[in-house]
Amino acid sequence: AQSVAQPEDQVNVAEGNPLTVKCTYSVSGNPYLFWYVQYPNRGLQFLLKYITGDNLVKGSYGFEAEFNKSQTSFHLKKPSALVSDSALYFCAVRASNRDDKIIFGKGTRLHILP
Amino acid sequence: NAGVTQTPKFRILKIGQSMTLQCTQDMNHNYMYWYRQDPGMGLKLIYYSVGAGITDKGEVPNGYNVSRSTTEDFPLRLELAAPSQTSVYFCASSFRADRPQHFGDGTRLSIL
Repeated sequence: AQSVAQPEDQVNVAEGNPLTVKCTYSVSGNPYLFWYVQYPNRGLQFLLKYITGDNLVKGSYGFEAEFNKSQTSFHLKKPSALVSDSALYFCAVRASNRDDKIIFGKGTRLHILP
Repeated sequence: NAGVTQTPKFRILKIGQSMTLQCTQDMNHNYMYWYRQDPGMGLKLIYYSVGAGITDKGEVPNGYNVSRSTTEDFPLRLELAAPSQTSVYFCASSFRADRPQHFGDGTRLSIL
């Protein structure tokens, strides 16, 4: 079965420290991977995606993600966290090259502590 | 600069009532999606469409219906509202399935 997992419901990081939000996936074929962020009472906003090419993908607001095929992971990272990064983060995967559906993880709430 | 617009933003329904959640996009996107978001459950796909006249079921289609008569509009219909349909509903669109989805700000629906 195709799936995406975010093993942490919540991640707490001190401001200025590096942050990592974890995501692992299971799909048939090559994955298309996405990260989205959701602020309170808003829809999801796109951060970055991996389709093919360089395993390190850079996105909005200083975020980046590393695709690791052997570990089937796509962790979201940022070198120095800001309080304004506090939000709900979703990893998503397109199930297959011929499937138009996107599967979302359950989300990880990121708290950046001042 | 509208993007994806959802109406209404809030609604309270009684059990058994029906309603239509409206979604429209002005980006000429082919793909449109309806999701529901429940606390701690992430997003669940209800229905999606890859173009006008074409719709398909997602993970949780029971109790809902959709239509796609134009590229711009993708309304979601609840025929007989049930308490289990209390949720936040998001509409999204994209140019292709491998392109980022653009989301509306959601409709918060309570069934009492």
